[in-house]
Amino acid sequence: QVQLVQSGAEMKKPGASVKVSCKASGYTFINHYMHWVRQAPGQGLEWMGIINPNDGSTHYAQKFQGRVTMTRDTSTRTVYMELISLTSEDTAVYYCARDSRDTTMVRGPSWFGPWGQGTLVTVSS
Amino acid sequence: SYELTQPPSVSVSPGQTARITCSGDALPNQFAYWYQQKPGQAPVVVIYADTERPSGIPERFAGSSSGTTVTLTISGVQAEDEADYYCQSADSSAAYRVFGGGTKLTVL
Repeated sequence: QVQLVQSGAEMKKPGASVKVSCKASGYTFINHYMHWVRQAPGQGLEWMGIINPNDGSTHYAQKFQGRVTMTRDTSTRTVYMELISLTSEDTAVYYCARDSRDTTMVRGPSWFGPWGQGTLVTVSS
Repeated sequence: SYELTQPPSVSVSPGQTARITCSGDALPNQFAYWYQQKPGQAPVVVIYADTERPSGIPERFAGSSSGTTVTLTISGVQAEDEADYYCQSADSSAAYRVFGGGTKLTVL
């Protein structure tokens, strides 16, 4: 079955950077885009961006441009999300979520699913 | 930036019908999706492409669309449906995905 397994919780100081990984299994890795979504404590979901594992191309939400970098390693079927210049407002659970659409198929609706288990990133001095 | 607007909360008694709305200017041209999130868990899609229900999602979940508003309807609400619900879509260019602010469904 499709499974996304994320790296463990991180604690960082303000100004530092964090890199979260998401290892995929159970499907053809390069055929599905991957999204990153975060959720601050008690808050809603926030889309951060998307990566095409086939060619590594990315597209970031305007809010995170210049601070986020998404990469992938096809040999290990893993995508990464790095966020720099952390502040307390970056404290959140970070999720990877597979795009439902197989890019080899005819274009159609695409949604987020399945999701990784989430990685809590805490930024505190 | 593009926004989707949801009511913060909806409350219903068991067996009643819950309706959660989501408004956005690009919704006539972009599909909407609905996610259910229970405490401590990742979200799960319950409606995709405005009105379609994934396999495994109970028939009491339904989606509809009218102009700039989409609606998630839960008929015969059960206690297990108590959760946060998020609508999700894309802006008019389809380049940016966006979530609504979320609606907390309380089953009285």
